[in-house]
Amino acid sequence: KNEVEQSPQNLTAQEGEFITINCSYSVGISALHWLQQHPGGGIVSLFMLSSGKKKHGRLIATINIQEKHSSLHITASHPRDSAVYICAVRRSQGNLIFGKGTKLSVKP
Amino acid sequence: NAGVTQTPKFQVLKTGQSMTLQCAQDMNHNSMYWYRQDPGMGLRLIYYSASEGTTDKGEVPNGYNVSRLNKREFSLRLESAAPSQTSVYFCASSGTGARLYFGPGTRLTVT
Repeated sequence: KNEVEQSPQNLTAQEGEFITINCSYSVGISALHWLQQHPGGGIVSLFMLSSGKKKHGRLIATINIQEKHSSLHITASHPRDSAVYICAVRRSQGNLIFGKGTKLSVKP
Repeated sequence: NAGVTQTPKFQVLKTGQSMTLQCAQDMNHNSMYWYRQDPGMGLRLIYYSASEGTTDKGEVPNGYNVSRLNKREFSLRLESAAPSQTSVYFCASSGTGARLYFGPGTRLTVT
């Protein structure tokens, strides 16, 4: 079993919909990252969190340490949000482990 | 600031050839990383450098060598390329805040 699991693997939404991407992990962590990979291939860090919730614009990330689960929400989705969203966890003592990503397509 | 830069963007090699991927960052970060990304798999760490003068193996180091030339530059060398090394390679860096900054990637094909 992978140490970081994301769901769904693929997601298609209509413009304006509320989107949720989930990340579950099975190891002790010191932090969790959400990354966005654009269709052109570039990777951008969206959030780094170790507890609670963070918000940036239409993006919200939450983490529940007890349940070893994090969610990334996108409100009022837009076609420009189409990308692969990657969850990565930093082990308590060690490097990052990456999920396989969730491919999001937002249709106009 | 340019952030993290990588060269080249694309490369085609024949089996057995060697090449060096270059990475530089201008954010004064201590930590630098080399990852590879293959279809259907998450990013995997090849090597990392926690500070100038130190390097450590990651998850998939076989067939690669690295050099942390100075604080800015971290290069990845393939001594004898194999088709299994066909991948997209990303360099990344992080500072004390631990947020990751990625380069644009190098798409490598080994025939």
